Amino acid sequence: DAGVIQSPRHEVTEMGQEVTLRCKPISGHNSLFWYRQTMMRGLELLIYFNNNVPIDDSGMPEDRFSAKMPNASFSTLKIQPSEPRDSAVYFCASSPGHSSYEQYFGPGTRLTVT
Amino acid sequence: DQQVKQNSPSLSVQEGRISILNCDYTNSMFDYFLWYKKYPAEGPTFLISISSIKDKNEDGRFTVFLNKSAKHLSLHIVPSQPGDSAVYFCAAVDSGTYKYIFGTGTRLKVLA
Repeated sequence: DAGVIQSPRHEVTEMGQEVTLRCKPISGHNSLFWYRQTMMRGLELLIYFNNNVPIDDSGMPEDRFSAKMPNASFSTLKIQPSEPRDSAVYFCASSPGHSSYEQYFGPGTRLTVT
Repeated sequence: DQQVKQNSPSLSVQEGRISILNCDYTNSMFDYFLWYKKYPAEGPTFLISISSIKDKNEDGRFTVFLNKSAKHLSLHIVPSQPGDSAVYFCAAVDSGTYKYIFGTGTRLKVLA
């Protein structure tokens, strides 16, 4: 298995632009998580899905952030409009679910908003 | 409100010696704990875990200890190797709500 796949690996955009981050979880995993990593706050959980349904989005910072999981093999995290303070590394992770708490992380997307 | 804390941002240890990384939590509903290791430009990778019904779990050079009364867990690496140099995150899970909280990480440097 290729593991969790994220694209792009790096994204540089100007303030106000829309940014879409993509994730392909490990096949057969039921849960998918989006995290943001910053120096100040470490790894923050933004949202997680179970069986493609958003379960907890309390970590989504504001309405500019949205996430979708249209099917079991694809998820997107969108920021519109982007701001410089959104600059961070965004990780996607998947988990088998069913009382397995281990998460498998993708390589991350480094987002820079200028 | 940081429910999971790693108070040491960094730690340096000589090769062959023991590395001890600490983690404290505040929420008594957490009942499962994990440690992840992260190299630069990579995502975190799972290392070892422990359920709240245990106080110790060992896997090769890695041992996790859980002290529920103190709401404290620690990761012991012995002997430490240069390849262990990475950032280590602890994570705590409330299995009832699937609330999953990471600590801020401790950067371990193992000196050759």
